[in-house]
Amino acid sequence: ETGVTQSPTHLIKTRGQQVTLRCSSQSGHNTVSWYQQALGQGPQFIFQYYREEENGRGNFPPRFSGLQFPNYSSELNVNALELDDSALYLCASSLPSGGGTGELFFGEGSRLTVL
Amino acid sequence: AQRVTQPEKLLSVFKGAPVELKCNYSYSGSPELFWYVQYSRQRLQLLLRHISRESIKGFTADLNKGETSFHLKKPFAQEEDSAMYYCALRGGSGNTGKLIFGQGTTLQVKP
Repeated sequence: ETGVTQSPTHLIKTRGQQVTLRCSSQSGHNTVSWYQQALGQGPQFIFQYYREEENGRGNFPPRFSGLQFPNYSSELNVNALELDDSALYLCASSLPSGGGTGELFFGEGSRLTVL
Repeated sequence: AQRVTQPEKLLSVFKGAPVELKCNYSYSGSPELFWYVQYSRQRLQLLLRHISRESIKGFTADLNKGETSFHLKKPFAQEEDSAMYYCALRGGSGNTGKLIFGQGTTLQVKP
């Protein structure tokens, strides 16, 4: 069974640029959620994708967007980067409601630094 | 508003001592509560969930709806328990991927 994998592991961008982060979900999991974890804070929910559609969103502006592909992998896109976007971005996969234990399986994260 | 509060950023105990990591939540309905753990150089992983009422690695947590708490306890701490612990809440059945996390507590178990 393959776990959740994320790429890239680290990247540096400058203010105003755009970034795309990628995630492959755990085998058999069709729900992917993304989290932002600032230094010293707990993860904060950005959004969730299920069957290639956004299915729930946290308190993040529209410049945070995503995609889910037929193979359940996912992308997180952030436009017009700001300094405060510097954080660890975590991807988690799970089974949809009604199936499994509701456990989230996390990747190791992508560390984004905005200069 | 849905919120999870972990009042201690750091909890330091000696090996063999009892441990209690505090978690309080704010939610109007019937929440699901979880404890996630992150060991050094490992990814975030589920430790236990209140619904299953299980003991994992000697840890237990009881949901107290009256006090809106879900404290994590272990009677005798081990050095390998040293890690970052996050309490998390899931409200509603629709968004299974949406968890609200506390700020986390670092547990340091000294030899």
